[in-house]
This record gives sequence, structure tokens and C-alpha cells, in this order.
Amino acid sequence: DVKVTQSSRYLVKRTGEKVFLECVQDMDHENMFWYRQDPGLGLRLIYFSYDVKMKEKGDIPEGYSVSREKKERFSLILESASTNQTSMYLCASSPRTAYEQYFGPGTRLTVT
Amino acid sequence: QKEVEQNSGPLSVPEGAIASLNCTYSDRGSQSFFWYRQYSGKSPELIMFIYSNGDKEDGRFTAQLNKASQYVSLLIRDSQPSDSATYLCAVNKDGNNRLAFGKGNQVVVIP
Repeated sequence: DVKVTQSSRYLVKRTGEKVFLECVQDMDHENMFWYRQDPGLGLRLIYFSYDVKMKEKGDIPEGYSVSREKKERFSLILESASTNQTSMYLCASSPRTAYEQYFGPGTRLTVT
Repeated sequence: QKEVEQNSGPLSVPEGAIASLNCTYSDRGSQSFFWYRQYSGKSPELIMFIYSNGDKEDGRFTAQLNKASQYVSLLIRDSQPSDSATYLCAVNKDGNNRLAFGKGNQVVVIP
């Protein structure tokens, strides 16, 4: 079974803090993705990576950065958290030659 | 036009009935189609995928694909209360590894 884990299920941070969200997958997948999910807006892609040290902007990259130093790990960084970044953050991975994505359990981030 | 549209509002079905969900997509080059189930407060879980026109059955779930009409549907037979969830349709974006997701349809199975 594919397993994608995320560092925290719930996180509360203050405005202006730097926030790190980590994602680890154990299936040797090349592709990894970060989404946020908000009521009424659905899943929105923030960044994705198709290889170590590679990254591509998704649909809403502003205010976020990512890091992929190892194949199994993909980190999302909020440089200076703001209240409008309060959301559910979902990490996913997929193999190079297939499109199906497998999601981690999600991190519900609240910025106060 | 949105990439993936799921227009139906919440769907209430009695236990044991068939739940039918529809999804349309805009990119004719799409080749891979997925259905995810998402329970409230949880992450999406892949339940079905389909690549070819026609029907694909897996247990109580059937996915139907019609590329000419650009729609994909999901049927849930003998609906159970445990099927109460939001179902997301996803379609590959031509030329890369991304998926485009619909906003989802909520299904409520009434015992």
C-alpha cells in the first residue's frame, strides 16, 4: 500500500511566523504535490515536483515555497504566515508513469 | 469553461438504492479519469480509475466513460450509510503529471 505521511494533523501558528509542513512517501514515487483545500473552492495546487530538487508552480504559489532535497520528502514552506493561509493542506504523490495520486492525511493549519 | 465540472448539488439516496454522480471535462486530450472519496475532515481516497470508453466495475462501484461526450460518471449500487461522503472527479491535464479536480458532490445515504 502507498503510504503518504504528513508531519502534523493540526497546527496553530501566529501571523508572520515561518511554517514548515513536511510530507514523506514510502513508495519511491517521482511526483509529489502540495494542495490546499477550502470550502467552496475545492482542491487547489500550490506546487509540485517531478524529481529531486525540481519544482514547478501550481495554480496558487504566492506566499509559499517548497523544498525537495530527497526523493521521498517534499516540504511546503509558508515564509510569513497570514490568516488567509488558514486551510487544510494536502500532500500527494504519484509514480512517474501514472497519473493516479495518493494523498496524505492532511494538515489543518490555523493562522491567528 | 472549467476543466472539470461536477454540477449536482448534494445527493440524498435511501439505503440500498443506486447513487449516480456525473462529471464533465473540457480537455479532449485527457486520457485518465479518477474518482476519489473524501469523508468529512479526511483526505481524498482513490476508489476508481478508468482509461477506456465504456464501463468499469469494482465491487459496488461502476465508472462509466464517454470520451466523445466528455463525461465520466460513477454509480454506487446498494448504497450504504458508509458511502456518505464527498466524491471528487479528477482528470489528467494533457501533457503533464497534474490532475484537474472537480469540486466534488456530496452523497448522503439515508438509512
